[in-house]
Amino acid sequence: GDSVTQMEGPVTLSEEAFLTINCTYTATGYPSLFWYVQYPGEGLQLLLKATKADDKGSNKGFEATYRKETTSFHLEKGSVQVSDSAVYFCALNSGGSNYKLTFGKGTLLTVNP
Amino acid sequence: KAGVTQTPRYLIKTRGQQVTLSCSPISGHRSVSWYQQTPGQGLQFLFEYFSETQRNKGNFPGRFSGRQFSNSRSEMNVSTLELGDSALYLCASSLLTNRAFYNEQFFGPGTRLTVL
Repeated sequence: GDSVTQMEGPVTLSEEAFLTINCTYTATGYPSLFWYVQYPGEGLQLLLKATKADDKGSNKGFEATYRKETTSFHLEKGSVQVSDSAVYFCALNSGGSNYKLTFGKGTLLTVNP
Repeated sequence: KAGVTQTPRYLIKTRGQQVTLSCSPISGHRSVSWYQQTPGQGLQFLFEYFSETQRNKGNFPGRFSGRQFSNSRSEMNVSTLELGDSALYLCASSLLTNRAFYNEQFFGPGTRLTVL
């Protein structure tokens, strides 16, 4: 079945540091890939997505590239801010008649001033 | 445009009771999905509804059920509550039609259920 593996953290960085959160997946077919972010006490917000191989999703300075050959979708940001502190989830949808999202365990990111 | 709303936001129940959670999707969205979030298991898919029909179901016992109304609002019910049902229950809506491609899911703030 579908599965997502992401580094669990927690990750603690100083402001303006470079961020990488690794994500790899197993899926049937050609999945769509997503990064969601969850701020304390809130639901999930879509951060970025990629729907086919070699697509790069980007939003708010975050980027991730859909790598089919390595089944990966690593999240990166060149310079993190305190306001980026949150839990980040990698997720996939394998399409077809499967309408659900399969999530990784989440990575807690804390950015210190 | 209003986002996904979930009521109530917080709920405390005791073992053996039942509970009903409500979700109102974004206007025009016809697909509603439910997820359970716990520290141990993470985010797990419960079920998805489209046009009042359940199309996908996750690996949960029959105590977990749901339904969708003609206005796309959805409810989920958990009967005979157990301590392990304590979780954040998230609802998500999507513009997804009956065509087999994926649309972005928009999540509500969740209902925090505590079972004592």
